[in-house]
Amino acid sequence: QQPVQSPQAVILREGEDAVINCSSSKALYSVHWYRQKHGEAPVFLMILLKGGEQKGHDKISASFNEKKQQSSLYLTASQLSYSGTYFCGTGWWNYGGATNKLIFGTGTLLAVQP
Amino acid sequence: ETGVTQSPTHLIKTRGQQVTLRCSSQSGHNTVSWYQQALGQGPQFIFQYYREEENGRGNFPPRFSGLQFPNYSSELNVNALELDDSALYLCASSLWTGHYEQYFGPGTRLTVT
Repeated sequence: QQPVQSPQAVILREGEDAVINCSSSKALYSVHWYRQKHGEAPVFLMILLKGGEQKGHDKISASFNEKKQQSSLYLTASQLSYSGTYFCGTGWWNYGGATNKLIFGTGTLLAVQP
Repeated sequence: ETGVTQSPTHLIKTRGQQVTLRCSSQSGHNTVSWYQQALGQGPQFIFQYYREEENGRGNFPPRFSGLQFPNYSSELNVNALELDDSALYLCASSLWTGHYEQYFGPGTRLTVT
């Protein structure tokens, strides 16, 4: 049931791009993306609700492919501040709507080096 | 606008004891979710409270219980502590249940010896 993220870890140089994938064996209704730095709480990045939806802010964007039951997070021109562990969270379906009771993925550790 | 706060920051308990963790939700938020995060793992959903009622529960035994108060702050209670309960406990508040984003507090680090 837990979404699987790939890759497990990635090392980048500043300015490089990265893609993090989140795949579920169950139907996806919503995907929430978070970044967590060591010893800190997860920080909300974005939420995607509809199949085929894409969202973005600044140089971080995401897509949601309902048919493939997966979401991807795109980080372009990475900065040192992007380092951390990225988690996707999938929302339960309840009473005809997606919920924010989340099942978090396995996590992807991203390290951006100067 | 104040963010989500949790207390205490750290706690050390002995196996078999009971513990209460507290969470103040972000202003205007009526939904609080609790998560347990073991070292190196993603957060695991414990339960959610919406307008003072439990609104869904994850795969946690009944010794994990909670409350939400009229001001939407919340408590997580764990009875008969076990060594495996050692973890970071996170609460997250949201404007509503449903598909709204959640904002996490800094967490309470619980160590059971």
